[in-house]
Amino acid sequence: NAGVTQTPKFRILKIGQSMTLQCTQDMNHNYMYWYRQDPGMGLKLIYYSVGAGITDKGEVPNGYNVSRSTTEDFPLRLELAAPSQTSVYFCASINGGGSGYTFGSGTRLTVV
Amino acid sequence: AQKITQTQPGMFVQEKEAVTLDCTYDTSDPSYGLFWYKQPSSGEMIFLIYQGSYDQQNATEGRYSLNFQKARKSANLVISASQLGDSAMYFCAMRVGAQKLVFGQGTRLTINP
Repeated sequence: NAGVTQTPKFRILKIGQSMTLQCTQDMNHNYMYWYRQDPGMGLKLIYYSVGAGITDKGEVPNGYNVSRSTTEDFPLRLELAAPSQTSVYFCASINGGGSGYTFGSGTRLTVV
Repeated sequence: AQKITQTQPGMFVQEKEAVTLDCTYDTSDPSYGLFWYKQPSSGEMIFLIYQGSYDQQNATEGRYSLNFQKARKSANLVISASQLGDSAMYFCAMRVGAQKLVFGQGTRLTINP
């Protein structure tokens, strides 16, 4: 049981480049989330999905896009990377209520 | 507005002492959940403890307990008999609509030998 898998673990982008952060879960969870964590700060919600085909914006969605074509996958797309997007990105999932959130190990992204 | 406030940027505690990390929350929803996560220097998010808004008793998990005071909207984490391995960032979080988590800014806990 792999849980939530994020790839890549590290990436350096140049300003203006684009990339996709991958997130896959094998627990059949309905709810999936993307958070970003700036140095010394808490996690902020970028986008979330309550099921396949349904996505919605979180607190800090500008500069990002997501899709949810399957229950398992929830990729995060960065278009025209900017230095302000330098952060650690976490993907998380849960099946419903309660406390059973599962977090991925994170992707550390640097935009130079 | 739904918000988590952690007012202690850093805490320094002697090994084997108990420590309380503060967390206050703001929500108008009658149903919510409160969480504490530990983030060591390696970066992963480790779930510690959970308290539901309708739970009558304070949650406990081993050395961790959550001091839930609903009227004050506080959910402080108490770590008993601290250990060197407890040194980490600690985040308080609240579950809101669509099972989203709202996080506080965190408290960096340092345990001194």
